[in-house]
Amino acid sequence: DIVMTQTPLSLSVTPGQPASISCKSSQSLLHSDGKTYLYWYLQKPGQSPQLLIYEVSNRFSGVPDRFSGSGSGTDFTLKISRVEAEDVGVYYCMQSIQLLTFGGGTKVEIK
Amino acid sequence: EVQLVESGGGLVQPGRSLRLSCTASGFTFGDYAMSWVRQAPGKGLEWVGFIRSKAYGGTTEFAASVKGRFTISRDDSKSIAYLQMNSLKTEDTAVYYCIGGYHWGQGTLVTVSS
Repeated sequence: DIVMTQTPLSLSVTPGQPASISCKSSQSLLHSDGKTYLYWYLQKPGQSPQLLIYEVSNRFSGVPDRFSGSGSGTDFTLKISRVEAEDVGVYYCMQSIQLLTFGGGTKVEIK
Repeated sequence: EVQLVESGGGLVQPGRSLRLSCTASGFTFGDYAMSWVRQAPGKGLEWVGFIRSKAYGGTTEFAASVKGRFTISRDDSKSIAYLQMNSLKTEDTAVYYCIGGYHWGQGTLVTVSS
């Protein structure tokens, strides 16, 4: 099974400041079709998770451009260029190259 | 607009069964795999299983924690996916979400308790 490891566990950020979350997989997420099956979700308090980024770096429809994803192979990063109050919640990475696995989550709060 | 609506959750005793439904609209249901993910109270997300589209054989895969107890089926004519949960354990208590494409439902709570 592929294990997804997220760091940090939590993040307290001043509005307007950047934030970064790391996600490492135990195996490469690069498929033979050339795609890398790594996704980022945000679960806001009391809501179901919503997709932010698909296939490492593609912003989903309606996602603000302050969110960006990068990485390759087994090492990935989600960056928020300027955190806003509405960005609070728990962020999860997920792989789907081999079944599905989620990272443990990173809780983002506002200072 | 894509919508996924789960139903069928509730309180059930250990050892009993429950069937969840996920009713989809706003997309071509039959073209997509349908997944189930759960979240125990205060915990992270755990993949439960999925069913492939008919184009990919309509086969299913499950997490080790539910394999042999849970099954997934689909009715493409009604745009509904089902999660049949048998031999329920207290540790199956969670909010269960269905996922179609990139979209998630709002979840339905299953509580397994005597």
